[in-house]
Amino acid sequence: KAGVTQTPRYLIKTRGQQVTLSCSPISGHRSVSWYQQTPGQGLQFLFEYFSETQRNKGNFPGRFSGRQFSNSRSEMNVSTLELGDSALYLCASSLNPLSNTGELFFGEGSRLTVL
Amino acid sequence: AQSVTQPDIHITVSEGASLELRCNYSYGATPYLFWYVQSPGQGLQLLLKYFSGDTLVQGIKGFEAEFKRSQSSFNLRKPSVHWSDAAEYFCAVRPNTGNQFYFGTGTSLTVIP
Repeated sequence: KAGVTQTPRYLIKTRGQQVTLSCSPISGHRSVSWYQQTPGQGLQFLFEYFSETQRNKGNFPGRFSGRQFSNSRSEMNVSTLELGDSALYLCASSLNPLSNTGELFFGEGSRLTVL
Repeated sequence: AQSVTQPDIHITVSEGASLELRCNYSYGATPYLFWYVQSPGQGLQLLLKYFSGDTLVQGIKGFEAEFKRSQSSFNLRKPSVHWSDAAEYFCAVRPNTGNQFYFGTGTSLTVIP
């Protein structure tokens, strides 16, 4: 069974640009969460989607957005990039968040560098 | 608000020595508890989890963790560390309502041959 797949793995952008990251969850998983990981802040929750609906949102500015498609694949978008957006963006899927007992399965992340 | 504290930013141990990584959480009720490991350039892999029942849980790669309600702790242990255990370790909690996970800031483990 394939794991969580994130694309692209690495990308370099300049300030002011925008970026879209993609995540394909494990087959059958309906919930996708996104986290930003930086050396100073650790893992910070961005948002969670379930059945194409955003269920939770972390404390990030509106430049960070996401969506989920009917096949559970998810994308996140960051507009007007800032240097501080350089980070590893991790996607995680879970089987059924409503059961409250599932763990998160993580992808390998998308490493974004903003110059 | 929920919070997770991993007081040790970095730990160095010799190969074959025992290991204990500390984790404390702040939450009104007993949450679900997890330990994840991250190797360089990789995502996070689940080591073990606690939901209820026996407070000593076994995980993969020879790791175990003990939940102590009175101390709000969930410390990770391994009796004999291998060089391949060098990685970043994250403790996480998930309230028993909702699907949002809260992660500690991580403990970086270095293993000396």
